[in-house]
Formats: sequence, structure tokens, C-alpha cells
Amino acid sequence: EVQLVQTGGGLIRPGGSLRLSCAASGFSVSNNYMNWVRQTPGKGLEWLSVLYSGGSTYYADSVQGRFTISRDTSKNTLYLQMNTLRAEDTAVYYCAKSVDADSTFDSWGQGTLVTVSS
Amino acid sequence: DIVMTQSPDSLSVSLGERATINCKSSQSVFYHSKNYVAWYQQKPGQPPKLLIYAAFTRESGVPDRFSGSGSGTDFTLTITSLQAEDVAVYSCQQYYGTPFTFGPGTKVDLK
Repeated sequence: EVQLVQTGGGLIRPGGSLRLSCAASGFSVSNNYMNWVRQTPGKGLEWLSVLYSGGSTYYADSVQGRFTISRDTSKNTLYLQMNTLRAEDTAVYYCAKSVDADSTFDSWGQGTLVTVSS
Repeated sequence: DIVMTQSPDSLSVSLGERATINCKSSQSVFYHSKNYVAWYQQKPGQPPKLLIYAAFTRESGVPDRFSGSGSGTDFTLTITSLQAEDVAVYSCQQYYGTPFTFGPGTKVDLK
């Protein structure tokens, strides 16, 4: 069974850093396209980043240069390193899997809340 | 960026009746005989669930009362014979290219 279990998140001060984790089971993160998506009441669902099976990465303009997506194949885990956090980064963050460039998000993590506030 | 819009914002439907949700992309998401549009269902406190991909292909396990249609820039999600468990927010999404973008969602509840 495909499963994505997220950890990390919480309350962080503006300017701070946080790392989210997404542990996968039932499939290999290195053989799939892995994404991060966030959701806020005001902006809805916002795609943030993708890590292709070949290693290429892409980011939304809103997080480019501040967030870094990566994976640890030995742990079958996806990460999102978030630096220089801002109040507007407050959201529920999801990891999501897609099979390839021709497919979309077929499995999602349970979500984790990140609150950026002083 | 491709902007996805949806209508209506919300919809009240009686049990057993039809719900129709529209989605429009700011540019065509059709390429090589495929429309790169998906539909998701989201219930409170849960992640989105993929219902439809490639505009009209149902994800495995999704009831056949859910159907997708459309091409190019205009797409529709139809729920025939609404059930109580279908109360949720429905969002369209394009995966034609990055940044992948979502519609704002349509809230479906019971009349």
C-alpha cells in the first residue's frame, strides 16, 4: 500500500528555518516525481516544488531561493528545507507523489501545519 | 503561469441530484492528444483525493457517478446522483507545466 507520512512543522518565528519530512512506503521516492504543495484558507492549494526521478528540481517563484526539496533514498524519504520563513508561508504543507511528467498527484501525505509568527 | 478558474464558488444539491462544476484554464492544456487537467475532492481535515485525471479518466476506486469532460481550456466535473459522502470541496488542477496550478475550489453541500 502506498503511504506518505509527514513529520515536522510547528510554530516558527519569521526569518527562521524548518525542515519537513515525508516518509514513503509502498513505492520508491527515487523512481517517482515527488512534490510539495501547501494550502491556506486565502490562497487555496499552491504547488511549491517537484523533484524528478532523474534529480531535476523546480520551484514556484514564491519559494525559489528559500526552499529546497531533496530526498534520501536510503530512508525513502522526501524533505523540504524551508529558510527565511515569512508570515505568508503559514499553511498546511502536503507532500504528494506523481508517477511521471504525464501524471499528476495520485497520493498525498496527511499534511502538516506550519505557523510563522512572532 | 496558467490560471485556473472555477464556477460556481459553491453549490447546494439535493441527494440523488446532479452537480456540475466548471473549470477554465487561461491557456490550452492540451498536448499530444491529452488534456493535462485533474479533479480533486477534499473533505475537512483531509488531503485532496485524486478523482479524475487527463480530463476524463477516473482514478482507480472512484465511483462512476463522478465523470469529467472537456478539452482545451474548458472542463467540467459532473457528479450524477449526489450522495451524502460527496459533500466536499472540488478543485481542478493543470499539470501541463510548472508551476502546476489549482482552481480555487467549489464547495458542494446538501440542499
